[in-house]
Amino acid sequence: GIQVEQSPPDLILQEGANSTLRCNFSDSVNNLQWFHQNPWGQLINLFYIPSGTKQNGRLSATTVATERYSLLYISSSQTTDSGVYFCAGYSGGGADGLTFGKGTHLIIQP
Amino acid sequence: KAGVTQTPRYLIKTRGQQVTLSCSPISGHRSVSWYQQTPGQGLQFLFEYFSETQRNKGNFPGRFSGRQFSNSRSEMNVSTLELGDSALYLCASSWLTGTTDTQYFGPGTRLTVL
Repeated sequence: GIQVEQSPPDLILQEGANSTLRCNFSDSVNNLQWFHQNPWGQLINLFYIPSGTKQNGRLSATTVATERYSLLYISSSQTTDSGVYFCAGYSGGGADGLTFGKGTHLIIQP
Repeated sequence: KAGVTQTPRYLIKTRGQQVTLSCSPISGHRSVSWYQQTPGQGLQFLFEYFSETQRNKGNFPGRFSGRQFSNSRSEMNVSTLELGDSALYLCASSWLTGTTDTQYFGPGTRLTVL
C-alpha cells in the first residue's frame, strides 16, 4: 500500500495566524481527503480533493497529483480550529481502504 | 439528513469476550467502511462492505469480522478480545465505494478491554 507522510507533526499558533499543513504520498492517489478530528474523536470531512484547489471559508486545499502532495491552508485561525488534521488517500488496484497519515496536531492559543 | 450513527458509543469488555459494534450509514449510502484508531498505530482500515458484500479487507486477524444488511447498516464483531483491541472504532459511509468517493465518518465507538 501507499505511504502517507504529514508535516509538521505538531503546530502551536496564536489566534489569527495562518498555517499550512502538508501531506506527501508515496504513490499517485485517486482519492484524497482531508479530515479534522475533534476532541471527541469524530472525523469531520473537510475536502475531497484528488487534484486541483478547493476553498471553504477560511480553509482551502490544493493537491498537485503529479508531484504526489497536498496542502491544507488555514487562515485567520480560531481556537475551534484546534485538533488533529489527517489526510488520507487510496492508490487503487489493491485491497486496502483509505490510508491515513499520522496527522498534524494543531493547537490555537487565544 | 442524519449523519452516520454508531452504537454503542462506549464499551468496556474483558479479555476473551466478544463484542459487536453497529453502524448506520447516511440514508442512501451503500458503502460502509470500518477503521481502528489507536495511539500507537493510528488509523487503520479494517474492511469495507458495499451492497452487502465485503469489498476490501485490511491486515487484521480473523477475529475481526463484519457484515452488512440489506438496509446498508453494518455490524463488526471482534471475538476473543485482547488488551490490544482497545481502540476507537470508526465507521464511514459513502454513496459509491469508499475508495472512490467522499467518506463521512460517525462519532465512533470507544472500546476498552480490561
